[in-house]
Amino acid sequence: EPEVTQTPSHQVTQMGQEVILRCVPISNHLYFYWYRQILGQKVEFLVSFYNNEISEKSEIFDDQFSVERPDGSNFTLKIRSTKLEDSAMYFCASTLLRGQLTYGYTFGSGTRLTVV
Amino acid sequence: DAKTTQPNSMESNEEEPVHLPCNHSTISGTDYIHWYRQLPSQGPEYVIHGLTSNVNNRMASLAIAEDRKSSTLILHRATLRDAAVYYCLNVWRDDKIIFGKGTRLHILP
Repeated sequence: EPEVTQTPSHQVTQMGQEVILRCVPISNHLYFYWYRQILGQKVEFLVSFYNNEISEKSEIFDDQFSVERPDGSNFTLKIRSTKLEDSAMYFCASTLLRGQLTYGYTFGSGTRLTVV
Repeated sequence: DAKTTQPNSMESNEEEPVHLPCNHSTISGTDYIHWYRQLPSQGPEYVIHGLTSNVNNRMASLAIAEDRKSSTLILHRATLRDAAVYYCLNVWRDDKIIFGKGTRLHILP
């Protein structure tokens, strides 16, 4: 069964450093998402991406965050200057069609980001 | 806001059916009912979705009340691997998924 692949599985970074989290969505999917989950809390929406631009973003997704689909296969989340509170699991997801009429989202296994 | 209400946790015995309830009293006519689950240390996983009719797939069944204000996810024969947090979501057709706290399902051997 097709999978969403995320790398690395665990990233440790120093506060103030830039990090890039990488995702390879399912190849024929058109809509891409990033979510995060702070330990013990809910899964939170960050951003949706379609046709090479952001469709929607949450309040969490401030100027420190950016997303890119540089080469038609990878989908990246960049945090420019990490803060301690950015420590969380970050999940990438993709879906084939806009809206969920027929398909659910496929999520990756996540990247655990630890900011020290 | 997930706009749904679920019990915080439930327990079930292995190899028995599990009925996970969800109330969505404010659901609109165009909202789909989706269920996802999150196994320990993994990302959310799509389980099933429906609009008005009951739905079956290889993972589970979804029973939707006639007034659509509630639904029940049915795992026909729970295994230890079904221990997870189960999320019931109302999703407007073009909208993003918003997760609530879900129901933590414990399976007793």
